[in-house]
Amino acid sequence: KQEVTQIPAALSVPEGENLVLNCSFTDSAIYNLQWFRQDPGKGLTSLLLIQSSQREQTSGRLNASLDKSSGRSTLYIAASQPGDSATYLCAVYTGGFKTIFGAGTRLFVKA
Amino acid sequence: EAGVVQSPRYKIIEKKQPVAFWCNPISGHNTLYWYLQNLGQGPELLIRYENEEAVDDSQLPKDRFSAERLKGVDSTLKIQPAELGDSAVYLCASSLDLVTDTQYFGPGTRLTVL
Repeated sequence: KQEVTQIPAALSVPEGENLVLNCSFTDSAIYNLQWFRQDPGKGLTSLLLIQSSQREQTSGRLNASLDKSSGRSTLYIAASQPGDSATYLCAVYTGGFKTIFGAGTRLFVKA
Repeated sequence: EAGVVQSPRYKIIEKKQPVAFWCNPISGHNTLYWYLQNLGQGPELLIRYENEEAVDDSQLPKDRFSAERLKGVDSTLKIQPAELGDSAVYLCASSLDLVTDTQYFGPGTRLTVL
């Protein structure tokens, strides 16, 4: 059974700092991995989608990497801003045609 | 382009009452998902539709939950009767296809069962 774990569960950093969020999954048989952002009381917004054949994707200050063999993905946020404060979730799309989410990392960027 | 629309945004009901949630996906999206999200957790899939066909409903508690997607466009998720443990956020998402496309989420319906 696929399990997705995100570490840390919560993170507080000063504005301007570069940071890394971690996501690990137990079964490497995935089709893709997505990183989402969720603001309080809101739905999820897709940030980056990495197909299983890809190693990384970049969008603006965000860079996501994928290492299927080790079951790991990282989301790198450069020059963090208070507006980046949110919960970040990763999700894997598995061979069983299911999307499995991690519990998320709650990020707080202090001005 | 309009996003995924859900209504109502909030619903408070007494236990044992019925409740229904509505979702209108992004135009042209064939795949529609209903998720349940408990506080502090990631979403959990309840049911997935490919057009009007429910292709994965293994996590849907069929004794009290039902869903439909008539004409392969908008969808309704129903709970009857609701229990205290059903209090959660119900999220709807859609995508162009299953494998290559990202999922676009609606704002969710926050259900409180008293």
